[in-house]
Amino acid sequence: DAGVTQSPTHLIKTRGQQVTLRCSPKSGHDTVSWYQQALGQGPQFIFQYYEEEERQRGNFPDRFSGHQFPNYSSELNVNALLLGDSALYLCASSLEYQGASGYTFGSGTRLTVV
Amino acid sequence: GQNIDQPTEMTATEGAIVQINCTYQTSGFNGLFWYQQHAGEAPTFLSYNVLDGLEEKGRFSSFLSRSKGYSYLLLKELQMKDSASYLCAVRHYSGGYNKLIFGAGTRLAVHP
Repeated sequence: DAGVTQSPTHLIKTRGQQVTLRCSPKSGHDTVSWYQQALGQGPQFIFQYYEEEERQRGNFPDRFSGHQFPNYSSELNVNALLLGDSALYLCASSLEYQGASGYTFGSGTRLTVV
Repeated sequence: GQNIDQPTEMTATEGAIVQINCTYQTSGFNGLFWYQQHAGEAPTFLSYNVLDGLEEKGRFSSFLSRSKGYSYLLLKELQMKDSASYLCAVRHYSGGYNKLIFGAGTRLAVHP
């Protein structure tokens, strides 16, 4: 049973460029959340998708946007990249109604902005 | 606002016991998770508490006191592979939805 798959694993972008990160959730999960983790910090919540709708958003600017597809996979888009966007981007999938089963995380995409 | 505090770094000896504390101040509390994260890897689930008390799972135990906004993760019979970051995360419920709020993580170094 595949867990959460993220692609690409690493990428390097230049300031001002745009990037798209992809996430395939664990089989059976219907909710996808995205997190940004700066070096030495805990993950910060960006937003969450369920039934192809963004339903929660953290304290991130509109440059960060996303999408969820009918097969529950998701994309995170970041426009006008800044040096400060360099981080590990984690995708976590879950069930809409879950208890202790909680969240399954992907291995992340390491984004470096130069 | 939401605030989760845990020590930045801890060191311990192989075979010993270590306790990692986490305090939180948050509305909409709906459970607390502990995750282990090795450098550059995904956080992996260790434990979950929603009611007060102790949950034991092999070498790992986690305790929660909701009235005190306090949790700890207890690691017994430490092994070198336990060297990692340990993340305390509160599941926050608001507007009908849940999300995880993380602490900054505690980096644990296990020495021979």
